[in-house]
Amino acid sequence: AQSVTQLDSHVSVSEGTPVLLRCNYSSSYSPSLFWYVQHPNKGLQLLLKYTSAATLVKGINGFEAEFKKSETSFHLTKPSAHMSDAAEYFCVVSPRWGGATNKLIFGTGTLLAVQP
Amino acid sequence: DAGVIQSPRHEVTEMGQEVTLRCKPISGHDYLFWYRQTMMRGLELLIYFNNNVPIDDSGMPEDRFSAKMPNASFSTLKIQPSEPRDSAVYFCASSKQPRMDRGNSYEQYFGPGTRLTVT
Repeated sequence: AQSVTQLDSHVSVSEGTPVLLRCNYSSSYSPSLFWYVQHPNKGLQLLLKYTSAATLVKGINGFEAEFKKSETSFHLTKPSAHMSDAAEYFCVVSPRWGGATNKLIFGTGTLLAVQP
Repeated sequence: DAGVIQSPRHEVTEMGQEVTLRCKPISGHDYLFWYRQTMMRGLELLIYFNNNVPIDDSGMPEDRFSAKMPNASFSTLKIQPSEPRDSAVYFCASSKQPRMDRGNSYEQYFGPGTRLTVT
């Protein structure tokens, strides 16, 4: 079975400071992992994905995430926050080769606030 | 590519009325998903299709909800009769069939959503 836990429901940072959004996963299969972002009143947009290639994954808008199997973590980071980064972020897990399903399992989301 | 298209973007209806939400997936995608998002329950998968065939509808809350995919470029989610607790944002998403030889993953592409309000 797969599951994902986002450790913080809210994170607040100042513009120009680093962002860290934490995610731990549990998966019986070798997982694919994703981060999606949702701006207010918008749909979900894929930020980045991990599918067993490089463990450090670079995404859009300067975000990156590192897959750490030993820690079962996939934390999202950005060196310098921008006001436009204020949004809700979802960590997502899926079994890579599907098996009986290709469902995505979504975390509960982390709301990122960026202060001027 | 136009992305996933949903209509209407907003729907306000009275309790007891029938509501139909529409989705056009990205051309060439083999999977289509319907989700519901509320503050209380977060993002819930309702049903998904593979090559127009419903694969898993275990997330459909009640018999009042039904979904169809008559062809590869169109799907509907219908609620009949609607109730105030159905008020939510409904998202449609689509994805390609992953290929093991290319390491493709299951990323889904989401539409902008339909905000449904049932009064």
